[in-house]
Amino acid sequence: SQQGEEDPQALSIQEGENATMNCSYKTSINNLQWYRQNSGRGLVHLILIRSNEREKHSGRLRVTLDTSKKSSSLLITASRAADTASYFCATVFIGGDKLIFGTGTRLQVFP
Amino acid sequence: EPEVTQTPSHQVTQMGQEVILRCVPISNHLYFYWYRQILGQKVEFLVSFYNNEISEKSEIFDDQFSVERPDGSNFTLKIRSTKLEDSAMYFCASSDSGIGELFFGEGSRLTVL
Repeated sequence: SQQGEEDPQALSIQEGENATMNCSYKTSINNLQWYRQNSGRGLVHLILIRSNEREKHSGRLRVTLDTSKKSSSLLITASRAADTASYFCATVFIGGDKLIFGTGTRLQVFP
Repeated sequence: EPEVTQTPSHQVTQMGQEVILRCVPISNHLYFYWYRQILGQKVEFLVSFYNNEISEKSEIFDDQFSVERPDGSNFTLKIRSTKLEDSAMYFCASSDSGIGELFFGEGSRLTVL
């Protein structure tokens, strides 16, 4: 399966703490994307990192990509209760035109 | 801000019945997708559609499934004869490129009894 694996499956932290989620994948990629999903809602794009990039920032989000290890991480700094959601990595494999989603991390941020 | 809209938001059907889920993608997008998610778990790719034809489909997308773009705006997913295991949230998505950001609708929850 091309599907990525994420860890941890679930993460609980206090407001103000940082949250780190990791994603591993199996095949060479064109890009890797992170999405957020509030319970029962649609997925919302957060950030895209290309295979030739190593790090990208967007507001409180920092994404890293290590193509040699086929892994990525999403760091949310200074978390807020409103960050409570599921976070998915998704990859576009070279030669493909579809996103394959990872298994997701459920993040709970306590006020 | 342009958005992808899906109808119905929730449909309950009997096993063996046909179901059509509708989507209106973002107007200038060219790539269209259906994904499904069972019980808030993994998001599974079903099918991608470009230039009025299926560009790729997964093993899940068997003969019971079909997609159509009947006019310039709608993109539909039809399940011919629903099974209990088709119960899931179905998400439509669109993109202006085949490898960039996907814009998702809020989903259609299908419950098969």
